[in-house]
Amino acid sequence: GAVVSQHPSWVICKSGTSVKIECRSLDFQATTMFWYRQFPKQSLMLMATSNEGSKATYEQGVEKDKFLINHASLTLSTLTVTSAHPEDSSFYICSARTRTSGTTNEQFFGPGTRLTVL
Amino acid sequence: DAKTTQPNSMESNEEEPVHLPCNHSTISGTDYIHWYRQLPSQGPEYVIHGLTSNVNNRMASLAIAEDRKSSTLILHRATLRDAAVYYCILRNFGNEKLTFGTGTRLTIIP
Repeated sequence: GAVVSQHPSWVICKSGTSVKIECRSLDFQATTMFWYRQFPKQSLMLMATSNEGSKATYEQGVEKDKFLINHASLTLSTLTVTSAHPEDSSFYICSARTRTSGTTNEQFFGPGTRLTVL
Repeated sequence: DAKTTQPNSMESNEEEPVHLPCNHSTISGTDYIHWYRQLPSQGPEYVIHGLTSNVNNRMASLAIAEDRKSSTLILHRATLRDAAVYYCILRNFGNEKLTFGTGTRLTIIP
């Protein structure tokens, strides 16, 4: 159980276009979803936290107008990279937390989406 | 959340135990110790967590020092599939966010 999927697994786009990445919790309801970005050979950096039905909370330095996050249901969150540029090329990873995570706070991570902007 | 310090890399032979250390000298009484690992080109996965007592699960054991200023993740019998970056993360109770450090890259030698 507790599987998180991401779609697409990889995407290549031209500079200036927008890209949408989906994150789905397949067998549980995710009260909270997180979006991370990971550059090559670096650690994960939290971009934003989203709760179903409310606006996402962005980390300092993350442009909310560039990285649009929608958490429309308890099983789906989307990240849209608007007007993508080569410096946005990265590995984008989502995670989800369930109602029953409790003190464990276990986050279930998706497999990641590799974005390459030409 | 308090900071953790881990070695950048470690090597271990296949089928031998692995002890991955983590220092967290500024840990507070309400900080949980979490371990996640990230296999190449994948998202991280939960390994184990603890507060004060040692913990065991099917993946690993977590040994926590009595003063809680350090902990050790123990893989009892390493396999090639355990090659990954292991992250030791402190999370304060009530804070749902995880702050990843640089982790330890574990290489398993066949």
